[in-house]
Amino acid sequence: KAGVTQTPRYLIKTRGQQVTLSCSPISGHRSVSWYQQTPGQGLQFLFEYFSETQRNKGNFPGRFSGRQFSNSRSEMNVSTLELGDSALYLCASSSGGGDSYTDTQYFGPGTRLTVL
Amino acid sequence: AQSVTQLGSHVSVSEGALVLLRCNYSSSVPPYLFWYVQYPNQGLQLLLKYTTGATLVKGINGFEAEFKKSETSFHLTKPSAHMSDAAEYFCAVSEGGGFKTIFGAGTRLFVKA
Repeated sequence: KAGVTQTPRYLIKTRGQQVTLSCSPISGHRSVSWYQQTPGQGLQFLFEYFSETQRNKGNFPGRFSGRQFSNSRSEMNVSTLELGDSALYLCASSSGGGDSYTDTQYFGPGTRLTVL
Repeated sequence: AQSVTQLGSHVSVSEGALVLLRCNYSSSVPPYLFWYVQYPNQGLQLLLKYTTGATLVKGINGFEAEFKKSETSFHLTKPSAHMSDAAEYFCAVSEGGGFKTIFGAGTRLFVKA
């Protein structure tokens, strides 16, 4: 079974631009979560989607948004990029009801975003 | 609000020695607790998790952790370190109802030959 895939793996943008990152979950998984990882702030939860609905949201500004499609693939978008948005963005998927009690999150390798 | 504190950003042990990575949590409700490992240029991999039941949890690669409610701790141990254990380890907490997971700052484990 293929793991979680994220595209692109590396991305360079300039301030003010917008970016879209893609995540394809493991086949059959319905929950997709996004995390931002930086040296200064560590791993921070962005949002979680389950069956095309945002179920949980972290404490990020509205410039960060996401969506999930009917095939469970997910995208996240960051508008008006700032230097501080440079980070590794990780996507994770889980099966079943999508609850941390019963399920396990499987992480993708991440997309490394650099904002110049 | 939930939070996780990992004591020690770097831990160094000799190959064959005991590994002990410390984690304390703060949660207003009974938490679900996790340990993840991250190897360079890779995503996170779940080592083990505690939800309910037995407080000593066994995970993959010989790791285990004990949930101590009275100490609000969930320390990760491995009796004998191997060179392949060198990685960054994250303790995390979730209150269920989805995957809103709060991570600690991470502890980088170095294993000396």
